[in-house]
Amino acid sequence: QQQVRQSPQSLTVWEGETAILNCSYENSAFDYFPWYQQFPGEGPALLISILSVSDKKEDGRFTIFFNKREKKLSLHIADSQPGDSATYFCAASWPGGYKVVFGSGTRLLVSP
Amino acid sequence: EAGVTQSPRYAVLQEGQAVSFWCDPISGHDTLYWYQQPRDQGPQLLVYFRDEAVIDNSQLPSDRFSAVRPKGTNSTLKIQSAKQGDTATYLCASRRTGGAHYAEQFFGPGTRLTVL
Repeated sequence: QQQVRQSPQSLTVWEGETAILNCSYENSAFDYFPWYQQFPGEGPALLISILSVSDKKEDGRFTIFFNKREKKLSLHIADSQPGDSATYFCAASWPGGYKVVFGSGTRLLVSP
Repeated sequence: EAGVTQSPRYAVLQEGQAVSFWCDPISGHDTLYWYQQPRDQGPQLLVYFRDEAVIDNSQLPSDRFSAVRPKGTNSTLKIQSAKQGDTATYLCASRRTGGAHYAEQFFGPGTRLTVL
């Protein structure tokens, strides 16, 4: 059972465009949603995260929009750069943050 | 501060062989995780420890997989009698509790396992 779903599987945008990555989840008990960025040959690294009490979180060019009622969230990457080309994982955690469930990822390619 | 280190970085086995993966977490991180990441999928939790105690191993295939963290620092994940379906990258992550309520997990680079 996939508790965290991501779409699209892959996405190509031009440099300077805004990339939008989507995520949905099943379990209402999840209250913390980190997004991880992974480059080939490396482990995932935390990019940005949001708690379920918030509906928006910004960090530079990266913004999470969160809709608790619909159990959906999205990651917007503004002014996309070729260096943003990576796989992005949406994840969800139960209270306390000890155990995290990952989605299957969105592979982003930013073309110059 | 050194990151999470893992060895080996790559392993190639025939079916039925055994393999061990080693992880050195960030100093002071009491919680350690092992994940399996099949190609083109997200990491899937196998087991996690707080200090030397196993907290959750419900997703660890117990008949062939084992994990230990005897002194609450380094950890070893072992696969007995590997199968082709075990082909994946094995990731180790660590985290410090007692600080931020939702403290970040830091990942190592992983061990890429191929079972022929």
